[in-house]
Amino acid sequence: QSALTQPASVSGSPGQSITISCTGTSSDVGAYNLVSWYQQYPDKAPKILIYDVSARPSGVSNRFSGSKSANTASLTISGLQAEDEADYYCLSYTTSTSFLFGGGTKLTVL
Amino acid sequence: QVQLQESGPGLVTPSDTLSLTCTVSGSFISNNNWWGWIRQPPGKGLEWIGYIHYSGSTYYNPSLKSRVTMSLDTSKNQFSLKLKSMTAVDTAVFYCARYETRGYYPDVWGKGTTVTVSS
Repeated sequence: QSALTQPASVSGSPGQSITISCTGTSSDVGAYNLVSWYQQYPDKAPKILIYDVSARPSGVSNRFSGSKSANTASLTISGLQAEDEADYYCLSYTTSTSFLFGGGTKLTVL
Repeated sequence: QVQLQESGPGLVTPSDTLSLTCTVSGSFISNNNWWGWIRQPPGKGLEWIGYIHYSGSTYYNPSLKSRVTMSLDTSKNQFSLKLKSMTAVDTAVFYCARYETRGYYPDVWGKGTTVTVSS
């Protein structure tokens, strides 16, 4: 099983919106609406941002939103803030009753 | 508030078996959750290792399945990971995590423990 495909890096200016894609196959991302997204700061544990493609846990800013089309899921961050600079990972449940992470995307706030 | 704390050796000799424990507070592992492990090699991405349910059901990453064993100790409210035949490529930060009751995403993570494989 190969990791899901994410861009290695994205960047944006404060106030702008950015989107991070997560591309898989019909056996993972495309199979179910079971994609989640995580934010990770250096030397910290990941924190959940989105689950079930587009649901937000309580306490997560509504600036974070998720969507999916076919085999590609996306995370959009609107109103970019300096504190959003971090690594972002997608995670998908698969038809093999296992999970696949994306390779991770480093977000730089210019 | 649910908290997870990993513990185990920071250094493992090549070919040895890694044993890690995750101690859970603020919840019981006998609740209807899945409990699992995820690792992250230095400077690299996250890799799913597997998870276990109170019922005893386990699911492992196919690429690690032959080397992985997970177990629960309800008396100590802990769950454990054993990874056999460790090599340098297994050097990583290991995280334990709780999954929501359906088992489809980890919602609470431990802080992680660094494991280095070296002689």
